[in-house]
Amino acid sequence: DSGVTQTPKHLITATGQRVTLRCSPRSGDLSVYWYQQSLDQGLQFLIQYYNGEERAKGNILERFSAQQFPDLHSELNLSSLELGDSALYFCASSVGVGTTDTQYFGPGTRLTVL
Amino acid sequence: SQKIEQNSEALNIQEGKTATLTCNYTNYSPAYLQWYRQDPGRGPVFLLLIRENEKEKRKERLKVTFDTTLKQSLFHITASQPADSATYLCALDFRTYGGSQGNLIFGKGTKLSVKP
Repeated sequence: DSGVTQTPKHLITATGQRVTLRCSPRSGDLSVYWYQQSLDQGLQFLIQYYNGEERAKGNILERFSAQQFPDLHSELNLSSLELGDSALYFCASSVGVGTTDTQYFGPGTRLTVL
Repeated sequence: SQKIEQNSEALNIQEGKTATLTCNYTNYSPAYLQWYRQDPGRGPVFLLLIRENEKEKRKERLKVTFDTTLKQSLFHITASQPADSATYLCALDFRTYGGSQGNLIFGKGTKLSVKP
């Protein structure tokens, strides 16, 4: 158990809908990262937050947005969903912002868009 | 554009043998490289980090090498066990390009199966 929690575990929805994925980092970690993992693309970095502020952006679509709240939990919002958005979404957390800080991954949310 | 290749999608070996996985990269100079293990349906778990000025790193039965000239890292598991069966991912940071410092880029992974 990494100490990172993600909800829900599974999510099934229809095209055009909007969903929110939630992540609670490990106690004491200030950085939260979001990743998308699909069979063809592998694990793709989406976005990083550090202590409430956006720190780095990766291959995140404009239809996706995220935020980190004062209690440090984070939410990833996916809107106007398409079939291709079906994937595993992982949240990870680390103590600081440097990528030498070990990232601890949560169990993931499996999103299925029908 | 950045590119990471892990030598094969799958590797099958016999218990007790040494598994060697390869990670090749092109087009940039990472400051360090990491290896992760991922079991089916679960999040990746960090194993080892090796910096650009280190040639080799060991942790128990694991050994990682990093050759910045060849742009390659090798990941070895000695005396492999069926419990080592998993997908292994390599990940690289990339140096600052206008503010994107700190991102990790992952390879697609190699699925290792260790047969008893």
